[in-house]
Amino acid sequence: DAKTTQPNSMESNEEEPVHLPCNHSTISGTDYIHWYRQLPSQGPEYVIHGLTSNVNNRMASLAIAEDRKSSTLILHRATLRDAAVYYCILAGGTSYGKLTFGQGTILTVHP
Amino acid sequence: NAGVTQTPKFRILKIGQSMTLQCTQDMNHNYMYWYRQDPGMGLKLIYYSVGAGITDKGEVPNGYNVSRSTTEDFPLRLELAAPSQTSVYFCASSYAQSLGGETQYFGPGTRLLVL
Repeated sequence: DAKTTQPNSMESNEEEPVHLPCNHSTISGTDYIHWYRQLPSQGPEYVIHGLTSNVNNRMASLAIAEDRKSSTLILHRATLRDAAVYYCILAGGTSYGKLTFGQGTILTVHP
Repeated sequence: NAGVTQTPKFRILKIGQSMTLQCTQDMNHNYMYWYRQDPGMGLKLIYYSVGAGITDKGEVPNGYNVSRSTTEDFPLRLELAAPSQTSVYFCASSYAQSLGGETQYFGPGTRLLVL
């Protein structure tokens, strides 16, 4: 499976935008870019995913570089509830939806 | 919809004991997964299933067994519990769609302590 690289931790203030980066230089043409987050003592939760174009949903936006070797998860206005571990994961065409979790980025949101 | 449910929430086992972790989903998903998460680490895939009667190993299958007799249920069996199996176990499910684009829905987890 292609690997992703994320910063270990990031900090933000409440109501400010947060940009969480992810590098995936070995991504293949069929790999989707997924983001999940895990709040303390809970199971992971789907945030967003995309293939080539930027994506928006009610939780976040996903900006994908033109060469697809990096992406950024954008939380438009961080809240205290957004404090979590954020995982950037690649999933390809023959993976049967399997996800390979790395260490993720620990996001701390300050009031 | 209840989504993905797991029982029990927490269990203490003695070394050598056996137990079954239950997982049920009510979304008619064909794919189901079992992950384990050790403290401070990401999740690791134990087993997965692409449909009733079909299961396959993930990254860390040793010490575990699974079965999938129905679409809804995907139990995980520990035969001889060892301290190394102390972990939080998450079950997940997804619906097969665009290859690689499946969204997984996770259960709340089962915390297992083996002493």
